[in-house]
Amino acid sequence: GQNIDQPTEMTATEGAIVQINCTYQTSGFNGLFWYQQHAGEAPTFLSYNVLDGLEEKGRFSSFLSRSKGYSYLLLKELQMKDSASYLCAVRDQDYKLSFGAGTTVTVRA
Amino acid sequence: GAGVSQSPSNKVTEKGKDVELRCDPISGHTALYWYRQSLGQGLEFLIYFQGNSAPDKSGLPSDRFSAERTGGSVSTLTIQRTQQEDSAVYLCASSAALHAANSPLHFGNGTRLTVT
Repeated sequence: GQNIDQPTEMTATEGAIVQINCTYQTSGFNGLFWYQQHAGEAPTFLSYNVLDGLEEKGRFSSFLSRSKGYSYLLLKELQMKDSASYLCAVRDQDYKLSFGAGTTVTVRA
Repeated sequence: GAGVSQSPSNKVTEKGKDVELRCDPISGHTALYWYRQSLGQGLEFLIYFQGNSAPDKSGLPSDRFSAERTGGSVSTLTIQRTQQEDSAVYLCASSAALHAANSPLHFGNGTRLTVT
């Protein structure tokens, strides 16, 4: 089975940077995804990593280390609209996608 | 269609009744997933389909839950003899291909099920 861990909550100030860590143990590995979910809404896709290294997409970057079973999502120049839950998800050898419990990020003025 | 469509958006049912939840994936998407999300919780995997077949049914919570997909398109999730603990948001997602390297899931807005 899968075990995906991420912090429950994080708080940061508008304009700052926040890093959300995710560690995982899976049966095989076929990619790691990050999703954003605002309260009462469906998750939306943010990023995908399958090889080690950093993927940058505007204010958001995601990093992967397969040997360590570790990823992080970096949010730069935080805006109030970035207040949301951030979900780490890992796809295993059978292409089943399992999600962590999510990290609630609160951005304060 | 423009996105994944789920119906109904809200369903209130009495304990013991059966319910059917419907998902229309994005046209052409071969992979379809069902998840359940309780209030303030993460996404719990239920089942996924590649075409019309379900390789992994291990996530279904009990034998009261079943799902099918026909024509490689629409899927229905059926819950028989509903219980109060079945109350949750049921999310459906589709992706272009199960085995494609970068094939993210696109989620519908979910069906909020309340069992009274």
